[in-house]
Amino acid sequence: GDQVEQSPSALSLHEGTGSALRCNFTTTMRAVQWFRKNSRGSLINLFYLASGTKENGRLKSAFDSKERYSTLHIRDAQLEDSGTYFCAAEAGNNNAGAKLTFGGGTRLTVRP
Amino acid sequence: AQTIHQWPVAEIKAVGSPLSLGCTIKGKSSPNLYWYWQATGGTLQQLFYSITVGQVESVVQLNLSASRPKDDQFILSTEKLLLSHSGFYLCAWSLVGYEQYFGPGTRLTVL
Repeated sequence: GDQVEQSPSALSLHEGTGSALRCNFTTTMRAVQWFRKNSRGSLINLFYLASGTKENGRLKSAFDSKERYSTLHIRDAQLEDSGTYFCAAEAGNNNAGAKLTFGGGTRLTVRP
Repeated sequence: AQTIHQWPVAEIKAVGSPLSLGCTIKGKSSPNLYWYWQATGGTLQQLFYSITVGQVESVVQLNLSASRPKDDQFILSTEKLLLSHSGFYLCAWSLVGYEQYFGPGTRLTVL
């Protein structure tokens, strides 16, 4: 079946620095979503992309369907950015009942 | 504004007992609805989706069933819980072709 490989599984950053999370897909995906897990375990929507890039504050995401990957860039990391981030991709074969396939998550720790 | 509510917040149940988890969406007409499940330490995976009242499609077989009795309501249930049903259950909604939004979740512990 469709697979989403997310890396790294854990990431440690010093405050003020940045890095990128990446998801590779084993098949062509129609769209990708990026989430952050909240304290209760539910998911906060960060980005939804069907192509190209989007930016929101210190976060920027890109999606290349043809090359089968998506990235989430964090710049100027702050302590409150610590948490677990997930990508989830939607295959292109069924718009009516879209199935999101999730990556394994990246646990981000931002240190002073 | 759309709101999504799940109940209960958490549940501790015995193996072999029945289960019913609920999800309601307010502020959106005829949304697509989804159930997801994450075992402890596992990856979140979609269980069911529904595009209209009375219609539910199964994605993963886990000895669970789902129903959509009303446009804004999605129910996940089983008559006999297994230990393997423990985990975190999330309901989500979307419009066709748009991003999915997730509810607060229900944590289920089966003993």
